[in-house]
Amino acid sequence: AQSVTQLDSHVSVSEGTPVLLRCNYSSSYSPSLFWYVQHPNKGLQLLLKYTSAATLVKGINGFEAEFKKSETSFHLTKPSAHMSDAAEYFCVVTLYSSASKIIFGSGTRLSIRP
Amino acid sequence: NAGVTQTPKFRVLKTGQSMTLLCAQDMNHEYMYWYRQDPGMGLRLIHYSVGEGTTAKGEVPDGYNVSRLKKQNFLLGLESAAPSQTSVYFCASSYSQGTYGYTFGSGTRLTVV
Repeated sequence: AQSVTQLDSHVSVSEGTPVLLRCNYSSSYSPSLFWYVQHPNKGLQLLLKYTSAATLVKGINGFEAEFKKSETSFHLTKPSAHMSDAAEYFCVVTLYSSASKIIFGSGTRLSIRP
Repeated sequence: NAGVTQTPKFRVLKTGQSMTLLCAQDMNHEYMYWYRQDPGMGLRLIHYSVGEGTTAKGEVPDGYNVSRLKKQNFLLGLESAAPSQTSVYFCASSYSQGTYGYTFGSGTRLTVV
């Protein structure tokens, strides 16, 4: 069975400091993994994706994530937080062979302190 | 570059009323999805479609129906709205089975009183 766990429901960092949003997944098959960002009252925007190519994936707005199969993790990082990064972030895992096997994490709310 | 457009953006229904949410995409995507988003629960798949004329049930299909008569449109219907259907609804589309990601609409906030 597939599942995805976002380990923190809320993360607060100061502007200019690093960001770490944690995601662990469980999948019987090689998954595709994604991070999406949702700003208040907006739809979800794709930040980055892992689809069995390079394990270190670079996304938009300076975000990146590393796929670690041994740890079943896909944590999202950014070296220096900006006020505009304040949003909800979702980790998503999909099973390639099935359109219905798309599992969203419960989300992590990122707050940025001035 | 519209992407995925959802209408309406907001709606208030009385219990027992019916309504249809419209999702339109202009990217020629085969796959389309309807999700609902509730606090602390992430997004849950209601129904999806793998092509024109096809529909399938997702994780939480009860109380909803869908139709995909045209490739670019995916309609979500509530025949008899219930307060438990108060939620934010998102439509999404994808080129394939989601390997390359999904494009989401901006959402419909539905309140059932």
